[in-house]
Amino acid sequence: NAGVTQTPKFQVLKTGQSMTLQCAQDMNHEYMSWYRQDPGMGLRLIHYSVGAGITDQGEVPNGYNVSRSTTEDFPLRLLSAAPSQTSVYFCASSYSPTTNYGYTFGSGTRLTVV
Amino acid sequence: GIQVEQSPPDLILQEGANSTLRCNFSDSVNNLQWFHQNPWGQLINLFYIPSGTKQNGRLSATTVATERYSLLYISSSQTTDSGVYFCAVRGYGQNFVFGPGTRLSVLP
Repeated sequence: NAGVTQTPKFQVLKTGQSMTLQCAQDMNHEYMSWYRQDPGMGLRLIHYSVGAGITDQGEVPNGYNVSRSTTEDFPLRLLSAAPSQTSVYFCASSYSPTTNYGYTFGSGTRLTVV
Repeated sequence: GIQVEQSPPDLILQEGANSTLRCNFSDSVNNLQWFHQNPWGQLINLFYIPSGTKQNGRLSATTVATERYSLLYISSSQTTDSGVYFCAVRGYGQNFVFGPGTRLSVLP
């Protein structure tokens, strides 16, 4: 089924560990982005990409890295996990940054850092 | 950057009631969307509405860009309407900014 696939759905990390959250889409979308959702704060943009090989920072990029080697994949790396990174992470994609159709979210990854 | 406010923060309705959710934003925008996050966490795009009025079944939305607000109307609410409703806006040359959301609970 076409859409945005995120893995894993749940993850528990110890402080200082690193990990990669995976995001893949099969809709040939150019624009991909990562958000974190914290209680009472809506969604905040971490990083985004307007195409393969191009990434940029969003509102809350510290502690996260991204890369975009293919159109389909946009992994998010936590370099050294901290309790403040406990959150729900969403990946989203669309045809372009300015196109208003096909803005699709993945089902989310719930991350707990202890 | 653009600030987005949503009201009310929480809303409890009886099934069949109508409701209005409001989104205020602090600057000119070229994109405004409403999203519904269901109780299982899935985010669904409801409307793209930078200006004007749109309707989709029991839901409709109106944006008055000159006054920097948008309204989402839900008529004859159903328990499946429960969840959190987010307004997201994009200023010119900027990324989306999400509001804090309105949590809606529809009771049977």
